[in-house]
Amino acid sequence: EVQLVESGGGLVKPGGSLRLSCAASGFSFNDAWMSWVRQAPGEGLEWVGRIESKSDGGATDYPAPLIGRFTISRDDSKNTLFLQMNSLQIEDTAVYYCATHPRGSYLVDSWGQGTRVTVSS
Amino acid sequence: DIQMTQSPPTLSASVGDRVTISCRASQTIFSWLAWYQQKPGKAPKLLIYRASSLQSGVPSRFSGSGYGTEFTLTISGLQPDDFATYYCQQYNIYSTFGPGTKVGIK
Repeated sequence: EVQLVESGGGLVKPGGSLRLSCAASGFSFNDAWMSWVRQAPGEGLEWVGRIESKSDGGATDYPAPLIGRFTISRDDSKNTLFLQMNSLQIEDTAVYYCATHPRGSYLVDSWGQGTRVTVSS
Repeated sequence: DIQMTQSPPTLSASVGDRVTISCRASQTIFSWLAWYQQKPGKAPKLLIYRASSLQSGVPSRFSGSGYGTEFTLTISGLQPDDFATYYCQQYNIYSTFGPGTKVGIK
């Protein structure tokens, strides 16, 4: 069974940084394409970025507004996905979900339970 | 960027009703459309992919249709467990979700 467990959320001041982690189990993580998706309070879902498997090149992509502030990385030796968030803004307040994709797709077929990030002074 | 819209934003229905939710893309996405169900405080759950393919384990009362820019999610015989918010997602070019449709109890 696929399990994705996010951690690292919390309260951070505007302009600060935070690094989220996602511990994966129940599937071959090093072959997996992974994403982060966020959901602001009372709002809909927003794709934050994706990373390919290393065997497929390991490339990342992001929606244009987040390029340069958010970085996705992975440690296949630890079955862990990361999201580094810099220059955080109040609008980044959200629950952040770790997600898996079929290879080459942006379809989300499994989700973690999410970790909450609050950006506030 | 591809924009997604959904209608209606909310709807009220009774157990046993047939419910239809619409989703529209700002440009063609062929069949690269998924539907998700989300309950309060929980992660979304994949229901339908490629516009009309039922995800494993999802009840057959859920069905999807459409192609290009117009898509529909139908729940045939609404069950108590189906009261939730439903999102469509295009995954033809990157990923964009619709704003959601909340299905409530009449």
